[in-house]
Amino acid sequence: DVKVTQSSRYLVKRTGEKVFLECVQDMDHENMFWYRQDPGLGLRLIYFSYDVKMKEKGDIPEGYSVSREKKERFSLILESASTNQTSMYLCASSLTGRGTGELFFGEGSRLTVL
Amino acid sequence: GEDVEQSLFLSVREGDSSVINCTYTDSSSTYLYWYKQEPGAGLQLLTYIFSNMDMKQDQRLTVLLNKKDKHLSLRIADTQTGDSAIYFCAESIENTGKLIFGQGTTLQVKP
Repeated sequence: DVKVTQSSRYLVKRTGEKVFLECVQDMDHENMFWYRQDPGLGLRLIYFSYDVKMKEKGDIPEGYSVSREKKERFSLILESASTNQTSMYLCASSLTGRGTGELFFGEGSRLTVL
Repeated sequence: GEDVEQSLFLSVREGDSSVINCTYTDSSSTYLYWYKQEPGAGLQLLTYIFSNMDMKQDQRLTVLLNKKDKHLSLRIADTQTGDSAIYFCAESIENTGKLIFGQGTTLQVKP
């Protein structure tokens, strides 16, 4: 089975802190994604990556950056956390051009910014 | 741009059928998906339907697709308390690998 692992399930940070959310997948997937989930808004795409060192902005990239130095790892960075970034963050991965295109999700990282 | 819409809440009694509806905008979507999210967990794929199909049945789940109206539904027969969760509809965006998700429908199953 595909496993997507997010390093932290729960984080509490202070306004202005730098925050790293790490995600690792073990099935050699080319595509990786970061979404944030908020009640009533569903999942919104922050950034995604089709390959190592490649990144594309999603629908809400402001205040975030990403890093993909290795194929299996995709990191989300909040350079200076703000209270409106309190949310559930979900990482996902998928194969390119094969199968049904489904995304495989991690368990999520719930971030609270005080 | 692409958009997926769902109602936010549905309450049913145990043993009844549940129907969760979704509308989408991208007519070129190859696949449409239903994901389930249990409390405190990530999303898991429940089922999907290929865009050239009208219906797909998988045990208690029936997916209906009306391409003309861009309407997707998920029917759960004999709904159980274990079906209580948030259900997300999603469409694939052609040639991008991206999925666009709806707001999620919280299904509450009363005993």
